[in-house]
Parts: sequence; structure tokens; C-alpha cells
Amino acid sequence: EVQLVESGGGLVQPGGSLRLSCAASRFTFSNYWMSWVRQAPGEGLAWVANIKEDGSEKRYVDSVKGRFTISRDNAKNSLFLQMNSLRTEDTAVYYCARLAGTWDRPLDFWGQGTLVTVSS
Amino acid sequence: QSALTQPRSVSGSPGQSVTISCTGTSSDVGNYNYVSWYQQHPGKAPKLVIYDVSKRPSGVPDRFSGSKSGNTASLTISGLQAEDEADFHCCSYAGSYTLVFGGGTKLTVL
Repeated sequence: EVQLVESGGGLVQPGGSLRLSCAASRFTFSNYWMSWVRQAPGEGLAWVANIKEDGSEKRYVDSVKGRFTISRDNAKNSLFLQMNSLRTEDTAVYYCARLAGTWDRPLDFWGQGTLVTVSS
Repeated sequence: QSALTQPRSVSGSPGQSVTISCTGTSSDVGNYNYVSWYQQHPGKAPKLVIYDVSKRPSGVPDRFSGSKSGNTASLTISGLQAEDEADFHCCSYAGSYTLVFGGGTKLTVL
């Protein structure tokens, strides 16, 4: 079955940076749009960013524009989220998820998430 | 990019039916038939249970059904079972390759 494994979370001070990774396996990674979705403690899910199969299209939620960058390495079956200028409100579990095909498809497989804590 | 509106909680007894609403705008729910629903048990990753408003992925019981009217989508779970107790999240395509989620609804099986 499809496997998505996130890593890179941890404790960081406000204003700091962190790079999340998502290792994909058991499917042809380069054929799928991918997403990052986060969940603050006790809150609902919140979409963060999408990236097209070849990386040529990227979209972000307004609250992270200019601070976060989504990218991918199809040769290494990996998805990334570079997070800069982190704020306390970015504290959340970050999930990597696969769109079931193109941009209009649902998120059909999710990783287990990695926790990012922004605190001084 | 405002979140979709869901009730914070709903509840029902085993065997009963419950419906969870998800209200958006004409820019998201009302404009696209790309509404999906996710079930999330505590400490677990979300699981897709409904997509394209009313379609079920393979393996999801037909007790789960979805619908939409105007700017509001709904998830109905019939024949409630104890294992259905979880958080449910709606999601809609919002144009320009973006998505928007609801705030999540906690389902309690009494």
C-alpha cells in the first residue's frame, strides 16, 4: 500500500526555520500532486500548500505565503516543506498527503504526521 | 480562504443516523462538486470516507453518504456504530489549485 513518512519536526524558536520531509513509496510519486496539511493542537485540519506533479505549480494558504516553500524531488520520491520565519501559530502536526491524481482529486493517502512546536 | 463551517459536535445512539453539515461559500462548496470528508480517530491520520460530494472509496461502508445543496455539504452516517466515534473534517476545492477545510466535528456515539 501507499506509504508516506514525514520527518523533520521538532522544537524551534519564533523566527526560526525548519525543513520537513516526506518520503513516498509504493506508488509512482512523479504522477501525483502532493499536499501539506497541518493540525494545530485541538483544532481542525488546515490546508497549507499544494504542488503539481512536476513542481511547476505551487499554491499556499495566505498565512504562510512568503514564509513557507513547498518543493519535491521526484528522483528521490520526496516532498519537502521549508518553513522560515516561524510563528507560534505555526505550531501543529504537519501531514504530507497525496492527491488522488490531479488538482481536483481528494487527499487519498496521508502520512502519520510530524509535530512542529514553535516556542521560546 | 476562510474555513468552512462545521458544528463542533454531534451525537447519536447506536443504530441511529446523524448528519454533519459543512457550510462554505459560492467560491468553494457552492461552485465545485469537489467536496470530500475525512474521518480521524484520536492520534491517527485522517482517512478519506467521501469524495466528489457523494462518492465512497472502496472499503468505506455504505452507511456513509454525502450530499450537497447550494453552499452546504452534508455527511450522513446511518446505523451508527461505536467505531464511528471520531472527528470528521470536510474539505472543498476553492479554485486556483487551493483547498479549504472545515473546523472539524466531533461525533460521539452515546
